[in-house]
Parts: sequence; structure tokens; C-alpha cells
Amino acid sequence: DADVTQTPRNRITKTGKRIMLECSQTKGHDRMYWYRQDPGLGLQLIYYSFDVKDINKGEISDGYSVSRQAQAKFSLSLESAIPNQTALYFCATSDSDRGGKTQYFGPGTRLLVL
Amino acid sequence: DAKTTQPTSMDCAEGRAANLPCNHSTISGNEYVYWYRQIHSQGPQYIIHGLKNNETNEMASLIITEDRKSSTLILPHATLRDTAVYYCIVRIATDSWGKLQFGAGTQVVVTP
Repeated sequence: DADVTQTPRNRITKTGKRIMLECSQTKGHDRMYWYRQDPGLGLQLIYYSFDVKDINKGEISDGYSVSRQAQAKFSLSLESAIPNQTALYFCATSDSDRGGKTQYFGPGTRLLVL
Repeated sequence: DAKTTQPTSMDCAEGRAANLPCNHSTISGNEYVYWYRQIHSQGPQYIIHGLKNNETNEMASLIITEDRKSSTLILPHATLRDTAVYYCIVRIATDSWGKLQFGAGTQVVVTP
């Protein structure tokens, strides 16, 4: 969905490096999410945010941190990257006025940690 | 959230209707049925959702059985671009934190 953008689209980094993945949305939604997907598996929730001041851990938050700089921006950081964080990362948004049930996903960031 | 069961894979001829089944026998009264799809390595895409009644939009139709224990997603005229993994998800209507529980889904291959 072009309304949700992620940068970079691809990233190669080395073990121990700190990296940031960024997500921006123009849908005007208040809720934002970060998921990761490993090959052949479903999505796992890392962090979610209901608004700028409300950030919550998901299923697999260890080794990750987030920042909600504005309603439209939600960044994911890997404090010290490790190889098993190699995955496809997706950002998503939803609108609480509609119950927040329908999520709209960005195109994803493919991360390789060497 | 209730668990869903979907076939692992299915093929469909281009131009024909694709009927994707989903079983959710433990669904409760306040849970919606959602369908998403994921084209290879792209972000999941919302398709449709429903509670009790059948639903239709520009992408697909959703048929929910009267006992709500199963549903069928119908792509009326499948195209090659509909090749994707299709996920059936059951979610509680009052789920305030909005997490989506993706299972293995059905790999749909549309052939010429």
C-alpha cells in the first residue's frame, strides 16, 4: 500500500551494529505496528503503538526498541544486530475509529545480518 | 482468538472463480473473520472481513455459514496477479490492541 512506506527496502549489516528501520504513513491512522516475518512463517508482532505516547511490547520485543516520533512515523531499532534477526520486517497501521481491526501494511524491509 | 484451518495449497485456472475454504469451528459470537493475502515477500494486503452476513467488495466475496464454523473466500475471476498466500484470521471484535495472528495460510497458484 503506497500510503505506508518503509525505508530502507533492503539492508545488509554486521553483527553488533545498531540499525534503524523507518516507517511513515499518510493514512492518518493513529495505530502503528512492527512485525517480523521469517522465511515460510507467519508474522510476529514486535511492538505496537496506539498513539505517540502509547507504546507497547509485542511477542518478540527483546533486542528491539521503537520510537514514535509523530503520529505518522514509527521507527524500529536493533540495538546490537545479531544473525537471527535476519528477516523481513513489516510496518502496519490501523484506525482506532474503525475499531483498529483492519491493518494496512508497508512493502517491507529485507534485513540481512552477517 | 479462535484457531483456523486452511488447505495448504490450491491451484486455480485464470479467469475462473477461486473458492478458498476456512474452518473456524471454535469461533465465538464476537469474533470476526478476516482475510488477508501476501504476494511473495510483499506486505500483507487486507481483502475483506465479516461477522455473520456474507460480504462483497471490489476484490472478493466472503460467504460465512449460518453456524459460523466455516467460511469461503471467493475471487470471482482469478488472474495471475492473484497468486499469493491467503490467510484466514479470526479476531475478537473488542480486541483493542489489534494484533493479527497469521497462520500458515493457503498458497494459491493461478495458472494460465
